[in-house]
Amino acid sequence: DADVTQTPRNRITKTGKRIMLECSQTKGHDRMYWYRQDPGLGLRLIYYSFDVKDINKGEISDGYSVSRQAQAKFSLSLESAIPNQTALYFCATGGSSYNEQFFGPGTRLTVL
Amino acid sequence: AQSVTQLDSQVPVFEEAPVELRCNYSSSVSVYLFWYVQYPNQGLQLLLKYLSGSTLVKGINGFEAEFNKSQTSFHLRKPSVHISDTAEYFCAGILTGGGNKLTFGTGTQLKVEL
Repeated sequence: DADVTQTPRNRITKTGKRIMLECSQTKGHDRMYWYRQDPGLGLRLIYYSFDVKDINKGEISDGYSVSRQAQAKFSLSLESAIPNQTALYFCATGGSSYNEQFFGPGTRLTVL
Repeated sequence: AQSVTQLDSQVPVFEEAPVELRCNYSSSVSVYLFWYVQYPNQGLQLLLKYLSGSTLVKGINGFEAEFNKSQTSFHLRKPSVHISDTAEYFCAGILTGGGNKLTFGTGTQLKVEL
């Protein structure tokens, strides 16, 4: 079984709709992250959490919110989706040291 | 501002030829550097990392990278590529004093041709 899972894997929605992307991990890591990937821009950090009570904005948090329901779960919400939020979204986890992050398979979101 | 720069957006190469993917980082970025690979329709997978110690780092699938502090570079190399190496490659670094937050380069698409 995958260590980091994301649901759904693909989602098409309409402008103005609220949607939630979910991430679960079995690695036992405290740190979790949400990124979006756009062609030619690499990955950009949306939000991150170092533990259940710690939520921080990344470089592009406007229009997004998150919830850390448990150590293993970190959800990303788009309160009112807009077309320029069409992107590939990745969840990642990391240990407490300066070490690599482990990525989920991604959610491809299309906002019409 | 801290940054990681990948100079080439696309690199075409013939199978069995050597390849180098370039990565430079700003001097303010902590010297924790990573290369990730993204195969089509998949997430990112760690190829190799430099945290400290030997400047030549070996990773999976025959890739290696050399940390060069004077040139602020961390170029990725493979002496002989395969068709299966076709993927997007991302260089990333951890921000100074910012905890375990990665700053990514914009990616290099490696296309291996017969």
